[in-house]
Amino acid sequence: ETGVTQTPRHLVMGMTNKKSLKCEQHLGHNAMYWYKQSAKKPLELMFVYSLEERVENNSVPSRFSPECPNSSHLFLHLHTLQPEDSALYLCASSPQEGGTDTQYFGPGTRLTVL
Amino acid sequence: EDQVTQSPEALRLQEGESSSLNCSYTVSGLRGLFWYRQDPGKGPEFLFTLYSAGEEKEKERLKATLTKKESFLHITAPKPEDSATYLCAVRDTGGFKTIFGAGTRLFVKA
Repeated sequence: ETGVTQTPRHLVMGMTNKKSLKCEQHLGHNAMYWYKQSAKKPLELMFVYSLEERVENNSVPSRFSPECPNSSHLFLHLHTLQPEDSALYLCASSPQEGGTDTQYFGPGTRLTVL
Repeated sequence: EDQVTQSPEALRLQEGESSSLNCSYTVSGLRGLFWYRQDPGKGPEFLFTLYSAGEEKEKERLKATLTKKESFLHITAPKPEDSATYLCAVRDTGGFKTIFGAGTRLFVKA
């Protein structure tokens, strides 16, 4: 595997379910990010991790819970979501957090909340 | 507050018809401006990073330019496979957030 991978690629869940999104980067980067992309809206930054420590929580509801066990893996735990949370969830990584480093994105998880 | 505005929202071209996409930005100090291409249902794919006014970068039919207030993505003689959404993003000198524009959807017809 190369680059940034995400699983699952598609997820349908009810509002009472609990699920997790997984991201893995094979680039040796130190920073990882979660973004939300809704139709015709700019990407919204949700969380930033640098060397496994959370450095930003961009006013995200508590029904989204991130976890970064090491610099290669990032999870987004989901519980009691709302239909408006349906979106494409993108993971990205960069060599360092901040600076001029380019972020490299995974293919995304298309989430549908019923 | 940092802001990125892309125009037009959508652009339809005939194959071979050159054009430009605009990205206007407002930041306290620019650390970098990024262009990405995104195909439907996929993650953004990195194209270019520009750091200072006057800088230009090229890749195949694409050329990105930067001024102090905006960036252009010039597409020369586009092909149908250039159809995608093109995203512009900026990062300022003060923080670590990358602010994205809403994108320009490009359609190239054969």
